[in-house]
Amino acid sequence: DTGVSQDPRHKITKRGQNVTFRCDPISEHNRLYWYRQTLGQGPEFLTYFQNEAQLEKSRLLSDRFSAERPKGSFSTLEIQRTEQGDSAMYLCASSQQANSGNTIYFGEGSWLTVV
Amino acid sequence: GNSVTQMEGPVTLSEEAFLTINCTYTATGYPSLFWYVQYPGEGLQLLLKATKADDKGSNKGFEATYRKETTSFHLEKGSVQVSDSAVYFCALSDGAGGYNKLIFGAGTRLAVHP
Repeated sequence: DTGVSQDPRHKITKRGQNVTFRCDPISEHNRLYWYRQTLGQGPEFLTYFQNEAQLEKSRLLSDRFSAERPKGSFSTLEIQRTEQGDSAMYLCASSQQANSGNTIYFGEGSWLTVV
Repeated sequence: GNSVTQMEGPVTLSEEAFLTINCTYTATGYPSLFWYVQYPGEGLQLLLKATKADDKGSNKGFEATYRKETTSFHLEKGSVQVSDSAVYFCALSDGAGGYNKLIFGAGTRLAVHP
């Protein structure tokens, strides 16, 4: 069973450019999450999908951010008109539908540096 | 709202020393509690979890007990190794909305020296 896969692992972009990250969850996991982690901080929740439906978005997810999970499998997170404050690691995670004690599995993250 | 507070790091220990990393939480209802570990350059790995009061989670020599009366979930290990050097995150999930939205503490960096 492969883990959560994220691509690219590292991205350096100029301010104002658009970037897109991809996440492939563990197969058969119908729940998918995006988190953002800045240096020295814990991950912060961004958004959650159950199958293809985006059921919650954090207020951290400004209008420049959009996430999709078109067929209920892989997901993309796009950031438009990047700003230096967007520099962070973007973590994807997945889990099976269950009660609150079910395990969430994280990918290795995608590092974004905006210069 | 729900929150998690961890002791500040870094925590620096010699090999074979006893480890405690404090974690307290604020939550409505009865959350599940987790410890995740992050090694340099990697994502988060689940270390252990507890889903109800007085449960003890354990893995790889690490333990934590869910204490509802003190709203705590302190991480302990009797004898640390150099390979335990990492950042440790305490987290809670209240299951609100029927899914697991984890709320993390800021993390505690552990450095173990030979």
